[in-house]
Amino acid sequence: GENVEQHPSTLSVQEGDSAVIKCTYSDSASNYFPWYKQELGKRPQLIIDIRSNVGEKKDQRIAVTLNKTAKHFSLHITETQPEDSAVYFCAAKSARQLTFGSGTQLTVLP
Amino acid sequence: NAGVTQTPKFRILKIGQSMTLQCAQDMNHNYMYWYRQDPGMGLKLIYYSVGAGITDKGEVPNGYNVSRSTTEDFPLRLELAAPSQTSVYFCASSFGPNTGELFFGEGSRLTVL
Repeated sequence: GENVEQHPSTLSVQEGDSAVIKCTYSDSASNYFPWYKQELGKRPQLIIDIRSNVGEKKDQRIAVTLNKTAKHFSLHITETQPEDSAVYFCAAKSARQLTFGSGTQLTVLP
Repeated sequence: NAGVTQTPKFRILKIGQSMTLQCAQDMNHNYMYWYRQDPGMGLKLIYYSVGAGITDKGEVPNGYNVSRSTTEDFPLRLELAAPSQTSVYFCASSFGPNTGELFFGEGSRLTVL
């Protein structure tokens, strides 16, 4: 089955700096890569996603890049704000299943 | 639209007891999922369903059972609860295999003592 590894497990940045979270996947058949944000005690919510026929996607301060050859994808958050503090999960979809990474606790320091 | 609704939100079980976590969605989604989330860990897929009458195992199905008699409902049954099943359980749904976004319920926190 699919295996998704996510790094780092914790990340602290100063407000206004950028944050980068990286994930690798094992199944070359995976074709959909979403990122979810989970605030403390809340449900995960989709923030951005990318399909395998696209190399990069941006949505305001958030961007995701995908390197299919190397089987890795990354989340980039620019101009970080305190409300960006949360746990971020990457995921990869192969066949019918979505496999999640173990999460990154992002803390934005004021 | 209520989205995905899970009950109960919290439950404490004794070892060996059984219970059912309820999940309902009102978005007419074909796909439904049960995940568990252990502290500091990601989401592990327990079971999923691609439509009424069809269910399949995920990564960690042992100790659980599911059924899908209607499009709306996807209950998760725990038989003979064990401390290892202490976790937060999330139900989720999506329209289909090519529309990837999962819509999650609020979660059910289960403690087995």
